[in-house]
Amino acid sequence: GENVEQHPSTLSVQEGDSAVIKCTYSDSASNYFPWYKQELGKRPQLIIDIRSNVGEKKDQRIAVTLNKTAKHFSLHITETQPEDSAVYFCAASKGGTYKYIFGTGTRLKVLA
Amino acid sequence: GAGVSQTPSNKVTEKGKYVELRCDPISGHTALYWYRQSLGQGPEFLIYFQGTGAADDSGLPNDRFFAVRPEGSVSTLKIQRTERGDSAVYLCASSLTGLAGGYEQYFGPGTRLTVT
Repeated sequence: GENVEQHPSTLSVQEGDSAVIKCTYSDSASNYFPWYKQELGKRPQLIIDIRSNVGEKKDQRIAVTLNKTAKHFSLHITETQPEDSAVYFCAASKGGTYKYIFGTGTRLKVLA
Repeated sequence: GAGVSQTPSNKVTEKGKYVELRCDPISGHTALYWYRQSLGQGPEFLIYFQGTGAADDSGLPNDRFFAVRPEGSVSTLKIQRTERGDSAVYLCASSLTGLAGGYEQYFGPGTRLTVT
């Protein structure tokens, strides 16, 4: 069945260091991979996404890489700041209006 | 503009009761989704509407769960004979369709359902 695994479940980094979160998906038909940030008690908000026709996408301090062959994709946050502390979810979708299959989340703590 | 809104924000009900959760999508978004998020987990898909019709209800856990979207805008998720295991945050999301959609789903703040 459709499944997305996400690691690590928790991640603590010092302010200014980099953070990397990794996801693996099972459905080879997946072609759209969004990343959402969810602060405590708040709604999930999209921070970056990537489609299967590219291998990497960057937006300021945030980047996502995709390896279609291995069915892996990763979120990279550089120069972390305390306000980056939140739970991050990866997801996989077959695109269009297809449902998202979410990972189990990574709680990122950035220590000042 | 206004984002996705959900009411109520919190709902406490007794086991066995019936509840309705409401979602107001972003104006013009024809696709609407319901997800359920248990504590410490990622959102889990329940049902997806394209316009008024349920295009995919494969995530509904059993026949106690039902959702409608009669006019293609507001949606209501209905849970009959609630059980303690139904306690979770119920998230609604909406998106555009077609090439303009970009695939992004915009989430509401959720309804926290507690079944006692």
